[in-house]
Amino acid sequence: AQSVTQPDIHITVSEGASLELRCNYSYGATPYLFWYVQSPGQGLQLLLKYFSGDTLVQGIKGFEAEFKRSQSSFNLRKPSVHWSDAAEYFCAVGGDFGNEKLTFGTGTRLTIIP
Amino acid sequence: GAVVSQHPSWVICKSGTSVKIECRSLDFQATTMFWYRQFPKQSLMLMATSNEGSKATYEQGVEKDKFLINHASLTLSTLTVTSAHPEDSSFYICSVPPYGQGVTYGYTFGSGTRLTVV
Repeated sequence: AQSVTQPDIHITVSEGASLELRCNYSYGATPYLFWYVQSPGQGLQLLLKYFSGDTLVQGIKGFEAEFKRSQSSFNLRKPSVHWSDAAEYFCAVGGDFGNEKLTFGTGTRLTIIP
Repeated sequence: GAVVSQHPSWVICKSGTSVKIECRSLDFQATTMFWYRQFPKQSLMLMATSNEGSKATYEQGVEKDKFLINHASLTLSTLTVTSAHPEDSSFYICSVPPYGQGVTYGYTFGSGTRLTVV
């Protein structure tokens, strides 16, 4: 069965500092990987996704993520965070691209301090 | 990607009543939609897969008779919480998969419905 682990429940960083959110997945075949962001009481917004090809993917809002098959990881990074980045971040894995369901990690809550 | 509209955004109902939540794919014909449930400060848990023209597929532990799903058209899926109880209070989100849209799109989510049962 597929699964996603986000080891960090809560991360606090200073505005302007760099950020890395960790994500490890378990999937028997080639995974399709996603990072979503959720503001309080809101739906999910797609930050970026990996299907194939270049293992470093660029997303919206200055985020990027790197797929490392050997480590089963898909960590999210941003070189300089902004106060507006404070939110909940979810990593998700799917497969057999099409109608297959997504499995989400437990999420990482990001707090930005001035 | 697809544009997904979910209504209502929030609803308060009395215990024992039923509530219907709509999920519409505005610009994409979705043969499949997913319904997720999210408890406060927790992750999204898949409840069921809604299939156009056929019965929904429910995840283990989800009560089919309590959470009725209807996917009567390619653009609309509904989730009805029947005989709601306070423990059904949660955030419900629908999602449209990218199938048919091409690999450049990810799954699109509705804005969610906050259900409070009093």
